[in-house]
Order: sequence, then C-alpha cells, then structure tokens
Amino acid sequence: EAGVAQSPRYKIIEKRQSVAFWCNPISGHATLYWYQQILGQGPKLLIQFQNNGVVDDSQLPKDRFSAERLKGVDSTLKIQPAKLEDSAVYLCASSLHAGVSNQPQHFGDGTRLSIL
Amino acid sequence: DQQVKQNSPSLSVQEGRISILNCDYTNSMFDYFLWYKKYPAEGPTFLISISSIKDKNEDGRFTVFLNKSAKHLSLHIVPSQPGDSAVYFCAASAISAGGTSYGKLTFGQGTILTVHP
Repeated sequence: EAGVAQSPRYKIIEKRQSVAFWCNPISGHATLYWYQQILGQGPKLLIQFQNNGVVDDSQLPKDRFSAERLKGVDSTLKIQPAKLEDSAVYLCASSLHAGVSNQPQHFGDGTRLSIL
Repeated sequence: DQQVKQNSPSLSVQEGRISILNCDYTNSMFDYFLWYKKYPAEGPTFLISISSIKDKNEDGRFTVFLNKSAKHLSLHIVPSQPGDSAVYFCAASAISAGGTSYGKLTFGQGTILTVHP
C-alpha cells in the first residue's frame, strides 16, 4: 500500500512570500490532517478534513493560512504571506475514518519550510 | 497548555536492555493513546496504541501500559536494538461531545532514544 505522499520535500522562501504544499493521502482514507511541527516540539494540528469538509480548523491562523480538499482526495495547504515563525515541518496525515472508531493516523514525510 | 507531556527529552540504553519511555496527560477526556517513532527527515511512523478500556497492549517487542488514575502511560521496548534509536512521540485523542471521535491527536514533545551497541 502506498503511503501518504507530500511535495515538495523542502522549500526556502523569504518572509512575505507565499508558498503551497501538496498532499495525497493513502487511497480510501476519508480523513486528512495537516500538522505543523516546530523544531523541538511535537506536531500540532492545523486543520482536519473529513472527505472534502472541514471538521476542525480551530488552530489554523486563518489570516495567512488556507487549505482545501476539493474532491475529497488530495489537499493543498497555502501560506500567504509567510512569517519567520512559520519555519517548520508541515506534515500531512490520513486515516480511514475518524468518525466511528479510533484508528491510527499515517503520516507523510513532510515539507520542511525555511523562511529567510 | 501542554496537555500531553514527555518530561524526558532523551534516554540512552544499552542494546538488549529495556527502554522505558514515559508520558503524562492532563485531559481526562482522552480515551485513545498512541506512540509514534520518528527518524530524521521522515514522518512519524505509528508504533502501537491503546484504548482507555485497557491497561496494557503488546505487539512484539513493544508494550504500552496505561494508568488512567495517574494519567500516565509508558512504552516498553524489550530487548532494545540500535535500530530503535529515534524520536518517540506520545499522542492522545478524545471523543468529542456527542460520542463521535474526530481523531484529533495531541502530541507530546518527544523523547530521543539512543540505543548503544
């Protein structure tokens, strides 16, 4: 089974520029998550989708971050404009269905973003 | 507000011995707990999980223990191998109001495990 695919692996931009990340979850997984992991910390949830609907975006800085999952499969996360504190690894994860029973989330390898 | 805490930033053990990684949580609504392993430049890999209705779950060399009264869980690796050297994250989720689990994970800060040959 193919895992969660993310691209790009690395991105370097200057502050105030915009950037976008892409994620393709494991086939058949209805739930997709975007996490931000700052160096030395655990991942923090930014947004959760169930199919193409948003379940939780309470920790997404909506003034600069946006995400979509239009067809309920792959997803993009965008930052515009970027700030220095956005330097982090952005992880995408997916699970079969978060609505009924507890299931583990499976993570991609992430995109490491550096803001200059 | 750190709801999941891993108070040991690092742990060093000898190959063949037991590794014990600890995790504490404060939110009594958490009912599902997971351990992830992370190698450099890779995403976290799911290791083992436990539901709050159990106090122990075992999978090969990995065993997770849950003490709900103490709000504490631990991961035991026996015997430890050099390939186990990685960052280990504890994570927890809670059933939201209405009985539906949305699956949102809250992670600890991680513990760096080094297993020496």
